Amino acid sequence: SQKIEQNSEALNIQEGKTATLTCNYTNYSPAYLQWYRQDPGRGPVFLLLIRENEKEKRKERLKVTFDTTLKQSLFHITASQPADSATYLCALDQGYSSASKIIFGSGTRLSIRP
Amino acid sequence: SQTIHQWPATLVQPVGSPLSLECTVEGTSNPNLYWYRQAAGRGLQLLFYSVGIGQISSEVPQNLSASRPQDRQFILSSKKLLLSDSGFYLCAWNPRGKGADTQYFGPGTRLTVL
Repeated sequence: SQKIEQNSEALNIQEGKTATLTCNYTNYSPAYLQWYRQDPGRGPVFLLLIRENEKEKRKERLKVTFDTTLKQSLFHITASQPADSATYLCALDQGYSSASKIIFGSGTRLSIRP
Repeated sequence: SQTIHQWPATLVQPVGSPLSLECTVEGTSNPNLYWYRQAAGRGLQLLFYSVGIGQISSEVPQNLSASRPQDRQFILSSKKLLLSDSGFYLCAWNPRGKGADTQYFGPGTRLTVL
C-alpha cells in the first residue's frame, strides 16, 4: 500500500528565509499530490495541488515541485513569516473508486521565529 | 459558497458511553463525505467515506459506525466509547466527479474519553 513520509516532525527557521518541506511516497506514482496547512485545533486547509504531468506550481510565496522519478514533492515557502507557522500536510490520491480517497502524511510542524 | 459544519466542537465522554457527531454541508449537492480521526501529533486516519445517501464505506474496523441519512448530513456514532477513541474528529467533503480531488474540512470535534 502507498506510504507517505514527511521529512521531519518539526522544522524551525528564521523569518525571511525559505522553508523547504519534503514529502516522499513509496509506491505507485499518484495522479496528483496536494499540500494542506493545519493550524492547532483547526481542520486542514487546502493550499496547492500538483498533477503528475506538472513539475512545478506556484501560488504567491508558495512553490511545489513534483518529481515522479524520485517519488518526492518539495514544498517551499519563500520570505517566510511568523504567520506561516503551522503544520503542513502532504496528501496523495489513492486512485480508485468515485470517492476520490486520499491519504495524508503525518505532517511537518513549521515554526518561523522572528 | 459552500460551508461545512461540525458539532459539537468539544466533547468529554466516559468510557462505555455512546457517541454521536454530526456534520452538515451547505451550498452543494451530492458531495462525497468523509470522517477522519487525528490522534495527538499524528496524521489523519480515514475512518469512513460516503458517495451517497445510505452508502458508507469503512476503512478501519473499530467500534465506530457512520450513517448518511440525508445528502448533506454525515453522522459518526459509537455504542460504547473506548479510551482509544479520544482524538480530533474531522469531517470533510469534496464534489463528486472527475478532477474533484481537493478535500474541504470542517472545524473538527475534539473528543476526550475518560
